[in-house]
Amino acid sequence: GENVEQHPSTLSVQEGDSAVIKCTYSDSASNYFPWYKQELGKRPQLIIDIRSNVGEKKDQRIAVTLNKTAKHFSLHITETQPEDSAVYFCAAPPIPHPGGTSYGKLTFGQGTILTVHP
Amino acid sequence: NAGVTQTPKFRVLKTGQSMTLLCAQDMNHEYMYWYRQDPGMGLRLIHYSVGEGTTAKGEVPDGYNVSRLKKQNFLLGLESAAPSQTSVYFCASSSKRWDRARPSNQPQHFGDGTRLSIL
Repeated sequence: GENVEQHPSTLSVQEGDSAVIKCTYSDSASNYFPWYKQELGKRPQLIIDIRSNVGEKKDQRIAVTLNKTAKHFSLHITETQPEDSAVYFCAAPPIPHPGGTSYGKLTFGQGTILTVHP
Repeated sequence: NAGVTQTPKFRVLKTGQSMTLLCAQDMNHEYMYWYRQDPGMGLRLIHYSVGEGTTAKGEVPDGYNVSRLKKQNFLLGLESAAPSQTSVYFCASSSKRWDRARPSNQPQHFGDGTRLSIL
């Protein structure tokens, strides 16, 4: 199945700095790459996603870039704030079943603990 | 619109006891999933369902059973709880969409989780 590796496992930045988290995936047919944010004790929530037909997507202070050739995608957070502190997960769909669907399944990375110091 | 609702939120069991975790979604989603989350291991898929009356194994299915008798509900059962099943359990759902005659992955929506401790 799909193998998703996420780095770094922990990231500490000063408020106002940028943060970058990178994920690599193994299945070149993967075409959907979401990022989830999970605050302590809360549910994972989708913050941004990208499909394989674009190389970059931006939403205010967060952006995701995709390099299909190298099979990696990255989350970029600019002008970080203390409320950005959370665990971030990347994900990618596993190899599709015959017929072309993965039934919406996702393989998640191990997570990155981001701490933004005031 | 409640989204995805999980009950209970917390539970403590003794080894060998059984219990059922309930997940309900009001978004008319076809697909539903059960994950467990352990420190440093991200979210691992236990079982999933692609529609009412159907279930399938995920990455870590041993020790769990599931049922989806109604489209909006997905139940996760532990027949004989073991300490290794101490974890936080999340349910999620997603819609079934097609884009230009091809399946199109959609975001998964998560419940608030169930924290389960087995002594």
